[in-house]
Amino acid sequence: GIQVEQSPPDLILQEGANSTLRCNFSDSVNNLQWFHQNPWGQLINLFYIPSGTKQNGRLSATTVATERYSLLYISSSQTTDSGVYFCAVEEGGSEKLVFGKGTKLTVNP
Amino acid sequence: DAGITQSPRHKVTETGTPVTLRCHQTENHRYMYWYRQDPGHGLRLIHYSYGVKDTDKGEVSDGYSVSRSKTEDFLLTLESATSSQTSVYFCAISETLPGGAYTFGSGTRLTVV
Repeated sequence: GIQVEQSPPDLILQEGANSTLRCNFSDSVNNLQWFHQNPWGQLINLFYIPSGTKQNGRLSATTVATERYSLLYISSSQTTDSGVYFCAVEEGGSEKLVFGKGTKLTVNP
Repeated sequence: DAGITQSPRHKVTETGTPVTLRCHQTENHRYMYWYRQDPGHGLRLIHYSYGVKDTDKGEVSDGYSVSRSKTEDFLLTLESATSSQTSVYFCAISETLPGGAYTFGSGTRLTVV
């Protein structure tokens, strides 16, 4: 099955810093989503982005499907950005998302 | 929230007992999923449903069964709970495939003692 690798596994920032999270996948996909799991465990869908670039406030994401990677950018980080960020992909015809193991982000005040 | 609720939120049960977790949605979405989350493993798919009475296995389906008799409800049953099934269980819904955005419930923390 498809493999999803996220990097870095852990990231510690000071408030106000920018960061880039990466997601590599091993095969072509027709669905790619980014999620944020907050410290209380809730999973929030950030982006549905099988290709191209999207922006939502301080967050933006880019997926280059032909090169099999996606990037999540967080600008001017805040303590509320802390948590785990997951990338998930759907292989063509599989009807299900496969998750990476996540990047744990800690933003210190 | 997108109208997806899981119950119970927390449960402690004894080894060998059956346990049923419920996922209820008010969005009339076709697709529903059960995932488990464990440290070091991320989220792994247990079972999913693509319609009433239409279900299929995920990557970690052993020891679990599911049922979907109505569009809005997707039940996950641990037939005989084991300590290895201690986990956080998440339900998710999606309107369309391919390419549907997922919405997750708040999770059920299950402890098997």
